[in-house]
This record gives sequence, structure tokens and C-alpha cells, in this order.
Amino acid sequence: DIQMTQSPISLSASVGDRVTITCRASQNINNYLNWYQQKRGKAPKLLIQAASSLQSGVPSRFSGSGFGTDFTLTISNLQPEDFATYYCQQSYTPPRITFGPGTTVDIK
Amino acid sequence: QAQLVQSGAEVKKPGSSVKVSCRASRNILSTYAIYWVRQAPGQGLEWVGRIIPFVGQVHYAQKLQGRVTTTADTSTSTVYMELSSLRSEDTAVYYCARVITTSGNVAAFDLWGQGTMVTVSS
Repeated sequence: DIQMTQSPISLSASVGDRVTITCRASQNINNYLNWYQQKRGKAPKLLIQAASSLQSGVPSRFSGSGFGTDFTLTISNLQPEDFATYYCQQSYTPPRITFGPGTTVDIK
Repeated sequence: QAQLVQSGAEVKKPGSSVKVSCRASRNILSTYAIYWVRQAPGQGLEWVGRIIPFVGQVHYAQKLQGRVTTTADTSTSTVYMELSSLRSEDTAVYYCARVITTSGNVAAFDLWGQGTMVTVSS
């Protein structure tokens, strides 16, 4: 199975900061990469699909980039509601999808 | 509004089985595949299985093969996930999720159930 890694595993940031999370796949996955936000006690929420396409209703301060094995999720102008855990997920080998370990963004 | 509504929390003994339901609104089961994904306490997300109800196709994660079964009842728009021979490490929140595909055929989970906590404890 394709392994996904994320860095950092956790970070502390302030409201208004620009935050960057990276995700790496163990092999080429083209753009078959999605990003999710999960808040405590809630189901994940799809933010970005196909590496860079913003899901409808998601604020434009979220953006994604990358292709192949290396991907980035950027949150510009961090807002209080953005403190959460973020997961990348590959769908290159359906049905065997895999998630990254998650990156927790908390308040500095 | 499209939604997936799951059954309530379960507490089970080791070695027993659990069956979790996921009721879908509208025509979801006639159009979309449904995944089961689980999350152990404080841990990440792990896929459990997938069902394509309108073609009757199922796939399971290799580590759970032989213990997990997912079925669909299209008459009630409900998908089920049954896990047998339960172990303490099966303690997790189990989610059902709908799969959509982009124009580039990239599959993503755009709609999730609220989750069902399954606790395995003696």
C-alpha cells in the first residue's frame, strides 16, 4: 500500500499567521491527493480534492498544491475556526486509499 | 439535503460481533460508492471497506479481511458494516462516507456520517 507522511505532526500558530503543511507519498500518485480538516469529536471535512481544487464552500484562505509525491496545504491568515487536525489522503489505488497521520494546528 | 445517519454507540465483549448501520438520504446508494473508515481514540484514519451498492461490489482492507462484511439494503437506503471476532484494538469511531470523483477521476469523501463509537471491553 502507498504510505503517506505529513510534517510537521503538530504546530502552534497565531491568528493571522500563514501555515504550511506538507504531505509526501511513498510513490507517485499524480494529483490523486485530498485534504481534510477534522475538529474534535466531528467527522472529517473535505477541503481540497485533486491536490488543488477547493471544495465548494471552503474559504479561499485554504489552498493546495503539488504533484507526484510532494504536496502542500497552505492556510493564509489563520482564523480561530481553523485550529484543527488536517489529514492528507491518497486515492491513487482505489479502493485501497490511505490517509496521512495528521497535522494538529493549535493556538500558540 | 444529502446526509448519512449512523446507528448509535455500541459496547461489545471481545470475541463478539458488532453491526453498524448508515442510512443514506435521497438516491445516494444508487449513484455513489460508500466507504467505511475508522479512527481509534487519539489516532488517525484507516479505511475498513468499500461497497458499491448499485453493482453489489465490495472490497475490504487486507488487515480486516475475513472479519469484516459490508452490505447494502437499497429498499431502506441503508449500508451495514459488520465486524466479528472483536478485539480491544477494534475500539474506534466508525464512519461511513460517500465517495465523489472529480473530472480527473480523483475520488474524495465529500459526505460523512456522524460516526459510531464501538468500544470493545471485557
